[in-house]
Amino acid sequence: TQLLEQSPQFLSIQEGENLTVYCNSSSVFSSLQWYRQEPGEGPVLLVTVVTGGEVKKLKRLTFQFGDARKDSSLHITAAQPGDTGLYLCAGAPNTGNQFYFGTGTSLTVIP
Amino acid sequence: NAGVTQTPKFQVLKTGQSMTLQCAQDMNHNSMYWYRQDPGMGLRLIYYSASEGTTDKGEVPNGYNVSRLNKREFSLRLESAAPSQTSVYFCASSESTGGSYGYTFGSGTRLTVV
Repeated sequence: TQLLEQSPQFLSIQEGENLTVYCNSSSVFSSLQWYRQEPGEGPVLLVTVVTGGEVKKLKRLTFQFGDARKDSSLHITAAQPGDTGLYLCAGAPNTGNQFYFGTGTSLTVIP
Repeated sequence: NAGVTQTPKFQVLKTGQSMTLQCAQDMNHNSMYWYRQDPGMGLRLIYYSASEGTTDKGEVPNGYNVSRLNKREFSLRLESAAPSQTSVYFCASSESTGGSYGYTFGSGTRLTVV
């Protein structure tokens, strides 16, 4: 059983389209992060959100943390081929000291 | 800026062989971690070290041992490799446990056990 469920698992879109990927859990998280991983490399941190309802923007990427701190979304506007990669959410539950990763959303942006 | 360096990048082992995966970070981070990544399973924590001199089990520690050699280095040992340990292994570091500062990952070791 995964603590963090990501959807969709795979996404293939045309350049210029918008998309949203989701990260959901039944647990409350003290903080949640999004990473992007390219083939043959380790994940790279994109953003950390810590407050329920928080919205952060990173150029064309918008991250939102749910009010109850159980879920998060990543919205990409006008996707580009350089956005292709595996997007991972990760979080630390309020209880315990471990950090858990979701299974990821594999995004392909077709030129 | 090296960040987190893992060696080797690729390894093929026969069942029953042993090996050590090496990891070093140059960011003066206190906490270090070993994860494995399998298709459809995401990243799963094997062991972590909150600070120099301490190590703790993660989600999937069976079949592995670790050593926090000093603040910079954290190694992962497979004593008797099994095909189920075929995976991509990532080392990561952070300023503290809990990850609120974010993790810095190495580029991974792709291990195949035949």
